[in-house]
Formats: sequence, C-alpha cells, structure tokens
Amino acid sequence: DTGVSQNPRHKITKRGQNVTFRCDPISEHNRLYWYRQTLGQGPEFLTYFQNEAQLEKSRLLSDRFSAERPKGSFSTLEIQRTEQGDSAMYLCASSRGGAQPQHFGDGTRLSIL
Amino acid sequence: AQTVTQSQPEMSVQEAETVTLSCTYDTSESDYYLFWYKQPPSRQMILVIRQEAYKQQNATENRFSVNFQKAAKSFSLKISDSQLGDAAMYFCAYRSAQAAGNKLTFGGGTRVLVKP
Repeated sequence: DTGVSQNPRHKITKRGQNVTFRCDPISEHNRLYWYRQTLGQGPEFLTYFQNEAQLEKSRLLSDRFSAERPKGSFSTLEIQRTEQGDSAMYLCASSRGGAQPQHFGDGTRLSIL
Repeated sequence: AQTVTQSQPEMSVQEAETVTLSCTYDTSESDYYLFWYKQPPSRQMILVIRQEAYKQQNATENRFSVNFQKAAKSFSLKISDSQLGDAAMYFCAYRSAQAAGNKLTFGGGTRVLVKP
C-alpha cells in the first residue's frame, strides 16, 4: 500500500491558463474522489468515479472543470481558463467499495497569479 | 442536503490533558457514517476514527473516542493524554450509507493546539 499520490504538489500559473493535476489512487481501490479545500475551510466534494465511470459531479464543478479516469486507474482534473477563485488545495482520495473509508493524498496546491 | 457544523474554530490543550471537539450534523437519513479526520500542517488528511450510525456503542481508537448522540445529531471527539503530535486541524465528516452517497461532507474544522 503506497498511498494516494498526487502530482504536482504545487502549481503556480497565470490567470487564464489551463492546468492539469494527476492522482494515482491506491492500487486496489476502485473508487476515486476529488475535493477542493480553500484556506481555513473543510474540503468540498467535486466529483466521484467508480472505476472509469464518473458517477457524481458537484455543482461546484463548472464547465471549466473536467475530470477523467481512463481505464479506471489514475485520474486527471483539468481546469481551463483559470480564475483567481480557483486558488485552493485540490485533494484526491480513494477507497474500496462498500463502507470502506477514503484515503487522501497530499493534495495539489494551485496558486493563480 | 446534509450539513456538518464544527462550532469551535480553535481549541488549546495542555500536553497529557484531555480535549473534546464538538460536531453537529443535519440529515434526514437514518443510516450513515461519521468520521473524524486529522490534517497536520502541510500534510495529508488521516482518518482518526469512524462511527456507523446503526451502532449504539461509541467507537474508540487508542487515545481517541467519540460520543455519538444520534437523536441530538451530535458526534464529539475526545482526545485523551494529548501529545504534541496531536496538534493539527480536525475535521468531522458525514457520509450517507446509500449506494450512491459516497461523498464526504466536511465541517469547517477545529484547530487543536497542544501546549508542552
């Protein structure tokens, strides 16, 4: 069990640019989640995959956001035309099925200049 | 929609003493899970303890225990014999037990400071 891995750890970009984050879940976990955490707040749910199927998306996930999980393994989260309000920590978590708890990665901190 | 509220932004405790963190939640569901997660500064979120709503017995994990009051929709965390390594943000979280309800809903967090 190598844990959930997220890359990069920190991304600095100019407003209007596109960014992509990657999450590698724990290998035997078929469920993968993305959350966003702003400074001093609790994480907020963005989207959820079971294997390669994206089963739920939050209304926080505007049309500038897209997430994929090809082949049910790693996942990517892309933000197009970044805005100042996108500055946050983006957390990925994975779990087995059923009632198993979610395990989190270290997160990717996005800073918009 | 479910909501989770943590009313204490920050709690301070002396090393070796006990501190209790409060959490209340709002739901119309009868079956769900509750969690406490710990997030040290610049480090990943770690599961501390979890409680299934159908279990009346309060969960315990070493120095960590919960007081689950289902009727009152309250889920407090007690940290006994506090250690310096317990200093972190603590988040209470709710998860539906329904098949489609896999997401976690988090409270705003409580920062725990441990004084040596």
